[in-house]
Amino acid sequence: DAKTTQPNSMESNEEEPVHLPCNHSTISGTDYIHWYRQLPSQGPEYVIHGLTSNVNNRMASLAIAEDRKSSTLILHRATLRDAAVYYCILRTGANNLFFGTGTRLTVIP
Amino acid sequence: DTEVTQTPKHLVMGMTNKKSLKCEQHMGHRAMYWYKQKAKKPPELMFVYSYEKLSINESVPSRFSPECPNSSLLNLHLHALQPEDSALYLCASSQDPGAAAGANVLTFGAGSRLTVL
Repeated sequence: DAKTTQPNSMESNEEEPVHLPCNHSTISGTDYIHWYRQLPSQGPEYVIHGLTSNVNNRMASLAIAEDRKSSTLILHRATLRDAAVYYCILRTGANNLFFGTGTRLTVIP
Repeated sequence: DTEVTQTPKHLVMGMTNKKSLKCEQHMGHRAMYWYKQKAKKPPELMFVYSYEKLSINESVPSRFSPECPNSSLLNLHLHALQPEDSALYLCASSQDPGAAAGANVLTFGAGSRLTVL
């Protein structure tokens, strides 16, 4: 499966936007870009996904580079409840979902 | 119902015990997954069931035995485990394991925390 690279950790001030980057230079044409997050002591939670175009939902926005080799998850106003590990994952037509190491987001009050 | 329910939440077992973890969903999802997560590590895929048939086994030792009795239930039978098998076991489900699987999102349960003594 194609691999993703994310920073190990990031910090953000509360109420400010957060941009979480992900590199996936070996992405194939059929790979969807998925983001999940895992809050402490919980199972992972779906955040957003996309294929080629930028996507918005009530939780976040996903900006996908034109060549699809990188993407950015945007949280528009970070809250303390957004402190979590964020995973960027490439999902193919095969029935699997492999997690990378993720980015631990700390939100500073 | 948009949840995946896992029981028990916590399990302590000895190396000679036989126990089972249970996962249930009523969202009509036809793909179900088991993941293992060690502390401060990402989840690792163990098994995938697609339409109640085992479709992926990520070279998991035979002391872990999955079972999918119907489209709503997924079990993980545990026997002769080792202390290093202590971890959080996560169950997940997704809608259609067919051609559009890449777009399907997974819904995870809260996990069963297993301790092997």
